[in-house]
Formats: sequence, structure tokens, C-alpha cells
Amino acid sequence: DIQMTQSPSSLSASVGDRVTITCRASQDIRNDLGWYQQKPGKAPKRLIYDASSLQSGVPSRFSGSGSGTEFTLTISSLQPEDFATYYCLQHNNYPWTFGQGTKVEIK
Amino acid sequence: EVQLVQSGAEVKKPGESLKISCKGSGYRFTSYWIGWVRQMPGKGLEWMGLIYSGDSDTRYSPSFQGQVTISADKSITTAYLQWSSLKASDTAMYYCARRDREGDFDYWGQGTLVTVSS
Repeated sequence: DIQMTQSPSSLSASVGDRVTITCRASQDIRNDLGWYQQKPGKAPKRLIYDASSLQSGVPSRFSGSGSGTEFTLTISSLQPEDFATYYCLQHNNYPWTFGQGTKVEIK
Repeated sequence: EVQLVQSGAEVKKPGESLKISCKGSGYRFTSYWIGWVRQMPGKGLEWMGLIYSGDSDTRYSPSFQGQVTISADKSITTAYLQWSSLKASDTAMYYCARRDREGDFDYWGQGTLVTVSS
């Protein structure tokens, strides 16, 4: 199985901060990676697909980069509604695997 | 509008069987895969498996193979996740999601909470 190591597991940030979350894959997954946001009690919502493509309707402050084994989700200016848990998901190989999640909290 | 609507919350006893559903609408159901994802209380997301709605070709995570069965009835555009004998450790929220062509999950159901307790 491909292991997805996501870091940090949590972070505290202020509104307006730039936030970066990283996922490392245990082997090359090309750009077969998505990023998801989950708020408490809600289903996950896709933000980024194919590592760097912005999902329709998602604010442009979210961006994704990377390929191969290292990937990054960046929020350029954190907004109050962005406080949530974020997950990466690789779909290069079965079984698909999620990162452990990053909880973004208010400082 | 693409929608995935899941069946309601369930409370079951250990050893009982259960089948939960996920009804797709607003798109050609038979052209897409549907997946299932588990989220245990306070924990992260776990990929369980996928089914291609057109021919019921199925992929399972080794962690769930033999523990659950994924199926679909294309005549009623519905996918299912079932257990033959529930355990307390099956207590979780279960989400279905549509696979975006060759990509990952673009649309999600609202989730079905399964509680297994004696």
C-alpha cells in the first residue's frame, strides 16, 4: 500500500495567515492526488484535484502543488470559514489512501 | 445537479446484519464508480472500496475485504454497503462518494451513522 504522510497533524493560525500543509507519498504517485476539507459533522469537500487543479467554486486562496512524492496545499490568506480538517488522498494505486489529516485551529 | 443521498442512521446489535444505501441522481449513474469511506468517531478518513456502477466491477481495500460487501443496483441508481455480522468496532460514519472519471472523489453523500452496541 502507498503510505501518505501528512504534516503537521494540527496547526494554530490567525485570520490572514498563510498556511501550508504537506503530504508525502511512500512512492511516486505522479499527480494523482486530491485535497479535501472537512468541517465538523459534514462530509468532506474536494478543494484540489490532480494535485494542482482548483475545484470549481472553491476560492482562489486555495492552491495545490507538487508531483511524484511531495505535495503541498496552501491557503494564501486564512479566512474564518477555513478552520477545518484537511486531508490528502492518493488514487494512483489501489488501495487508495488518505493522509492522517491536519486540523487547522484558530490562534 | 449531481446528488448522492444516503440512507438514515442505524442502531444495531453485535452480530446483526445491515445494508446501507447511496442513491445517485443528476448524472449517468452507470458511467461512474461509487466509493465508500469510513470515519470512526474522532478519527480520520479510511478508503474502503469502489464499485463501477455499469458492471459492478469492485475494488476493496485489504483492510475491508471480507468484512463488508459493496454492491449496486443500476436499475434504481443505488449503491450499497453491507455487513453480515456487525461488530462494535463497525461503529462509524460511512460516506459514499462518486469517482470523478479517472480521478478521485468529486461528490459526496451526507453520511450514514452506524452505531453497533449491545
